[in-house]
Amino acid sequence: AQSVTQPDARVTVSEGASLQLRCKYSYSGTPYLFWYVQYPRQGLQLLLKYYSGDPVVQGVNGFEAEFIKSNSSFHLRKASVHWSDSAVYFCAVTLTGNTGKLIFGLGTTLQVQP
Amino acid sequence: AQTIHQWPVAEIKAVGSPLSLGCTIKGKSSPNLYWYWQATGGTLQQLFYSITVGQVESVVQLNLSASRPKDDQFILSTEKLLLSHSGFYLCAWSLPERLFFGHGTKLSVL
Repeated sequence: AQSVTQPDARVTVSEGASLQLRCKYSYSGTPYLFWYVQYPRQGLQLLLKYYSGDPVVQGVNGFEAEFIKSNSSFHLRKASVHWSDSAVYFCAVTLTGNTGKLIFGLGTTLQVQP
Repeated sequence: AQTIHQWPVAEIKAVGSPLSLGCTIKGKSSPNLYWYWQATGGTLQQLFYSITVGQVESVVQLNLSASRPKDDQFILSTEKLLLSHSGFYLCAWSLPERLFFGHGTKLSVL
């Protein structure tokens, strides 16, 4: 069955530190990959997406993610986090390219300590 | 620019009472519309989608119903709430390459 795994329910880092949030997917085809962020009491906002081409994609606010097909992964990275990055991050996947068919992971709560 | 508005922002309701949540999209004609549910600490689960007025498809059975009475409006409702309905409800509309979410409605069923 198709699935998206975010193995870390919660990640705590210090402000200014680097960050990696992990995401692995289970699909037989070539997926379309997304990272969304959810700030407290708000809806989700798109951070970045991968459809094809360069496996490293740049997103908003200094975030980037790398698609590694051999590892079925799409980890999210940031070189230096800010306290305002504290939020819940969702990895999502679709095989069809139709965002109405997105499958979301369970999310990773990021806590940035001052 | 397109805007998506959900109402109410939050609801506290009793078990067995009715519920109606609304979503309006402005600035986009004939959008594909979605209702998502997010349990506390859980992931998003798509409940319904609609590609046109009057047509709604159910994705997950949670004793909820949805309707699309107008091109820009999507309603989620039930006549009888359950404790398990508590959570965060998100309306969304889509372009081929992304979903746009509303700010959500927090529902607490007591």
